[in-house]
Amino acid sequence: EPEVTQTPSHQVTQMGQEVILRCVPISNHLYFYWYRQILGQKVEFLVSFYNNEISEKSEIFDDQFSVERPDGSNFTLKIRSTKLEDSAMYFCASRGTEKLFFGSGTQLSVL
Amino acid sequence: QKEVEQNSGPLSVPEGAIASLNCTYSDRGSQSFFWYRQYSGKSPELIMSIYSNGDKEDGRFTAQLNKASQYVSLLIRDSQPSDSATYLCAVNGYQAGTALIFGKGTTLSVSS
Repeated sequence: EPEVTQTPSHQVTQMGQEVILRCVPISNHLYFYWYRQILGQKVEFLVSFYNNEISEKSEIFDDQFSVERPDGSNFTLKIRSTKLEDSAMYFCASRGTEKLFFGSGTQLSVL
Repeated sequence: QKEVEQNSGPLSVPEGAIASLNCTYSDRGSQSFFWYRQYSGKSPELIMSIYSNGDKEDGRFTAQLNKASQYVSLLIRDSQPSDSATYLCAVNGYQAGTALIFGKGTTLSVSS
């Protein structure tokens, strides 16, 4: 069964460093998303991407964040200068028509 | 601000009982409704979708939607200990590709 693949599964970084989280969405899906979940809190929408551009973003997705689809398969989330409060599980998701499928997540720890 | 509200629980039921999970949403224009299950430390897993008023059954799961009341529910019949997880209600709008907005989830505990 097709699945969304995320790498790495865990990322530890120092405050102020840049991180790139990587995702390979399901191949025939058109809509791509990043969500995050801080421990014990709800799954929060960050950004959606369609037709090689951002289609929607939340208040969380500020200038420190960027997304890119550098080739036909990968979808990345970059955090330019990490803060302690960026520590969370980051989920990539993709959707074909209606149903959203999640990757297994990247646990980001900012020290 | 689109909101999705759920009781955080925990909801405790004995094995074999019916578990009832509820969700309300604020955006009256919402068109698609989903229930996800999330085990601790794992990603959300889609279990049900519903798009029109009424009931939709899939095995032991029944989703119910009432758009007039802006209310979605999930019934789990014959609850099993393996159903113990957090259940997330998610809602999206009328435009294709609109992001899903999640509730905080209800934690279900099924005791054997």
